[in-house]
Amino acid sequence: EIVLTQSPDTLSLSPGERATLSCRASESVSISYLGWYQQKPGQAPRLLIYGASSRATGIPDRFSGSGSGTDFTLTISRLEPEDFAVYYCQQYGSSPLTFGGGTKVEIK
Amino acid sequence: EVQLVESGGGLVQPGRSLRLSCAASGFTFDDYAMHWVRQAPGKGLEWVSGINWNSGDIGYADSVKGRFTISRDNAKNSLYLQMNSLRADDTALYFCAKGAEDYFQYYAMDVWGQGTTVTVSS
Repeated sequence: EIVLTQSPDTLSLSPGERATLSCRASESVSISYLGWYQQKPGQAPRLLIYGASSRATGIPDRFSGSGSGTDFTLTISRLEPEDFAVYYCQQYGSSPLTFGGGTKVEIK
Repeated sequence: EVQLVESGGGLVQPGRSLRLSCAASGFTFDDYAMHWVRQAPGKGLEWVSGINWNSGDIGYADSVKGRFTISRDNAKNSLYLQMNSLRADDTALYFCAKGAEDYFQYYAMDVWGQGTTVTVSS
């Protein structure tokens, strides 16, 4: 199975700052079958990015994804108050599908 | 409005069984793959199982293989998870999620339910 390692575990930033989240795979993720999800406390996850770099419907353009192979990045260009949450990467190109352990973006 | 509503969770003793259901509405259910994803208390997300639009291909996490069975009834717009031989580490919030296309691999999960809680304890 493909293991996804996210870093850092926690990112402490202020509103307006740039957030850069990393997701590293134990082996190459086929054709960038990599997604990013946001989860707020008490809520279900929400799809942000699919195919490593395509924004899902309704996702603001301050969210962007990049990367290929084994290294992927989620960037939030300017943090809004509603962006403080936990973010998960997921690979869906190889079964079993797997998630990373998550990065918490908290208010500094 | 696209909606997924899970049900069937509860408190169950170790070794017993439970069946979860997910009722889908607002989209053409038999056009899409479906998944179960769980989240243990205070932990991250874990994919449990996925099923193609026509039940022709199914996948499981190693942690549940041989104990859990995913199925769907396209006529009833419903997804199921039969959970047997439950263990304490199966305790989690179980989410139903819709695949973005017809195969459970190769597409992300674009709609999620609010989840149903399963607690395995004596």
